[in-house]
Amino acid sequence: SQTIHQWPATLVQPVGSPLSLECTVEGTSNPNLYWYRQAAGRGLQLLFYSVGIGQISSEVPQNLSASRPQDRQFILSSKKLLLSDSGFYLCAWSPRYGRGQDSNQPQHFGDGTRLSIL
Amino acid sequence: SQQGEEDPQALSIQEGENATMNCSYKTSINNLQWYRQNSGRGLVHLILIRSNEREKHSGRLRVTLDTSKKSSSLLITASRAADTASYFCATPHGFYTGGFKTIFGAGTRLFVKA
Repeated sequence: SQTIHQWPATLVQPVGSPLSLECTVEGTSNPNLYWYRQAAGRGLQLLFYSVGIGQISSEVPQNLSASRPQDRQFILSSKKLLLSDSGFYLCAWSPRYGRGQDSNQPQHFGDGTRLSIL
Repeated sequence: SQQGEEDPQALSIQEGENATMNCSYKTSINNLQWYRQNSGRGLVHLILIRSNEREKHSGRLRVTLDTSKKSSSLLITASRAADTASYFCATPHGFYTGGFKTIFGAGTRLFVKA
């Protein structure tokens, strides 16, 4: 069965410090991968998505970046965190079939990282 | 504004009662999905309904879709305290290389009192 791991679960960082959040998927290959941010009591904001190794698309211009060095590894980074980067970060994957079928697939989420910037 | 918007924002009911949540969207879709999120956890996929379906059931869940009104509803029957969570609708939107991106609504917070 497929599993998704996301770490750390909680992170407290000072303003201006770097960030690295990691997400790995097991039990599947060539997945679509996503990074979302969720403000308290709100919906999900798509930050980045990836359809393959080294293929990253950004939805929101900001001081965050993402990388996919391996098929099932997705990393969210920042060189200098801002107060506004606080939030709940979620990684997700969905099967990739292509031919317009990807939108009919559910997304599977990790348990998230609670990031607090001081 | 978001593609999917849920109504109500919050709902409090007694155990055993039914809970109904609604979702409206703006553009044509080929499917609509409902997810659940327990406090401090990731989202869990509940059910997907395709645009050519009007109703779908999964256990105590019943989802309807009205494409003419661009709306969907999620009904949870005989609710339990364990159903306490936030519920989100999600719709595919736009294109990116190899697939779609999914837009999530702001969610309905359901509280079921024991």
